[in-house]
This record gives sequence, structure tokens and C-alpha cells, in this order.
Amino acid sequence: TQLLEQSPQFLSIQEGENLTVYCNSSSVFSSLQWYRQEPGEGPVLLVTVVTGGEVKKLKRLTFQFGDARKDSSLHITAAQPGDTGLYLCAGPQTDSWGKLQFGAGTQVVVTP
Amino acid sequence: GAVVSQHPSRVICKSGTSVKIECRSLDFQATTMFWYRQFPKQSLMLMATSNEGSKATYEQGVEKDKFLINHASLTLSTLTVTSAHPEDSSFYICSAQITGTRGSSGTQYFGPGTRLTVL
Repeated sequence: TQLLEQSPQFLSIQEGENLTVYCNSSSVFSSLQWYRQEPGEGPVLLVTVVTGGEVKKLKRLTFQFGDARKDSSLHITAAQPGDTGLYLCAGPQTDSWGKLQFGAGTQVVVTP
Repeated sequence: GAVVSQHPSRVICKSGTSVKIECRSLDFQATTMFWYRQFPKQSLMLMATSNEGSKATYEQGVEKDKFLINHASLTLSTLTVTSAHPEDSSFYICSAQITGTRGSSGTQYFGPGTRLTVL
């Protein structure tokens, strides 16, 4: 099994601050996905990164895929209370069509 | 597009009873659906892979006789928790993969989850 390690586990910041969440592996992934999950709801897909070195932006969120496709990061600029949630990275397992390997998640809390 | 629904959203049952949870892809066909379990403040744990028209594939440690999965159509998969006990209380989430997309390109779309409480 290809493991994905997320850090930090928990982040508590003030509104307006920036934050970065990391997703690392010793294995190569063909792609990585980032999800945000709010309490009592299912994960919502934010982005899929496919190409090594790729950078994708979604408003105040910037996603980066490492050159070697072993790591990814999510950076939020000027965080808002609405960014509060559990952020999960996930990647397809090799030789397991469709199965996703999830990281442990990063709980982000943005206070006004 | 790519909306997945789950029903019910919450269910409370007595110990020893069975509970069925439905997962539907509303605007696409899904040959493959996945069932996950999530404990508070933890990540998703894959329970099984559900394939339309064939038997589900269960992850190691998941009892197939306790968690019955049926994927009778391209838009519906059901998970039945049989003889439920308090330790089965959890948040159950399904996801669906658009038919024709598999492997690394097969994005999973998640349902809103079902909160099961067994008394």
C-alpha cells in the first residue's frame, strides 16, 4: 500500500492569515486529489493534480504537485472562516483500479 | 454534474436489527462504487468496492457477511449492516466513479454520508 502522510494534523489560525498543508509519500502517484470535508458531510473534490510540477489555483487556494509526483501541497491565502474543514489528500493505488489511498487529514480551523 | 446521494442521512436503530443505506449516482452511470467508514476526526477507511453486476470486493478485516453490498444497477449500490451493534455506529460514506473512467483518471464523487447510531 502506498501511504500518504499529511501534516500538520491540526491547524488553528486567525482570519486573514496564510496556511499550508502538506501531503507526502515515498511512492510515486499518477495523480493526487485534494478534498475538503465539513462536519456531517461527505468530502468535496477541490482539485486533481496530474503532472509533476503542476500548480493549480482555485481562488485563494493554490495546489502544487511535486516534480517527482511524490508530494503535494495546499496553500490558502488570507484564510476565511469558510475555509474551516478537514482537508484530505488522496491518490489512486497502483494496481487497484479506482481505489484511493487517503491521507490522515488536516483539520483546519479559521477563527474570525 | 456528478452528484451522488445517500439515503438516509441519519438512522438510529436498536442493537440486533439490520439497516440498509442507499447510494445513488443522480446524473451519471457508475459501474464502480466504493463504501467507506469514518470515525470522528479521522480519515476515510475503505470498506469495499462495489461493482455493478458482480460481487463486492471487501478490504481486509471487513466482514462481508455483516456488511452486505448489492450493486444491482449502474446508479444504485446498497450497504446493509446486518445485526447491528453499538460498535457499528459510524459515519458511512459512498463514492461513485463515472463509467468509462478507471484507474488514475477515475475521479470519485462522494455522497453526503449516513450517520448510523446503534443503541
